[in-house]
Amino acid sequence: QKEVEQDPGPLSVPEGAIVSLNCTYSNSAFQYFMWYRQYSRKGPELLMYTYSSGNKEDGRFTAQVDKSSKYISLFIRDSQPSDSATYLCAMARSGGSYIPTFGRGTSLIVHP
Amino acid sequence: DSGVTQTPKHLITATGQRVTLRCSPRSGDLSVYWYQQSLDQGLQFLIQYYNGEERAKGNILERFSAQQFPDLHSELNLSSLELGDSALYFCASSGTGANVLTFGAGSRLTVL
Repeated sequence: QKEVEQDPGPLSVPEGAIVSLNCTYSNSAFQYFMWYRQYSRKGPELLMYTYSSGNKEDGRFTAQVDKSSKYISLFIRDSQPSDSATYLCAMARSGGSYIPTFGRGTSLIVHP
Repeated sequence: DSGVTQTPKHLITATGQRVTLRCSPRSGDLSVYWYQQSLDQGLQFLIQYYNGEERAKGNILERFSAQQFPDLHSELNLSSLELGDSALYFCASSGTGANVLTFGAGSRLTVL
């Protein structure tokens, strides 16, 4: 079993839909949770960063962490065609060298 | 532009050959990370350097090596290349004690 599991999709939604992207993990030592967005032929870019459990909102994006269930989510409201990309979750332990472990990424397609 | 520069962007070579990938981190960042991204494995951590010294090692093959120079740029050397080494290789950098990575645009390696 991989430390971080993420459905690769693709997930296809109409413009304006609410998108829910999810990851599960097995290592209870993870304390830092991140979402990266990767456009085709580009490097991943940080979208959201949270520490421990709870919610964080940034514009149309909301990140949720449920440590008791080892489950994290990214919600995108009013999705746009420009949101079409691969979304990777990443997690890191506290202490040590903080190396993030990435999920495989979910491919999202928002069609007009 | 993320501030992390990787060269070359594309590289095509033959099995058994050796290549060197180069990375210049974002200004002020002391840590450099190398990741390999393939369709079946996702983003896999290879190695991290901090201010010239190796800090952490991941799933890096013995045929691969890396170093970070005094000016903080880093090189990833891949030797005795095999078809399975074809992938995107990303460099990322971060500041002191941070686990938020800034990625470069990647180097696409094709081994024929």
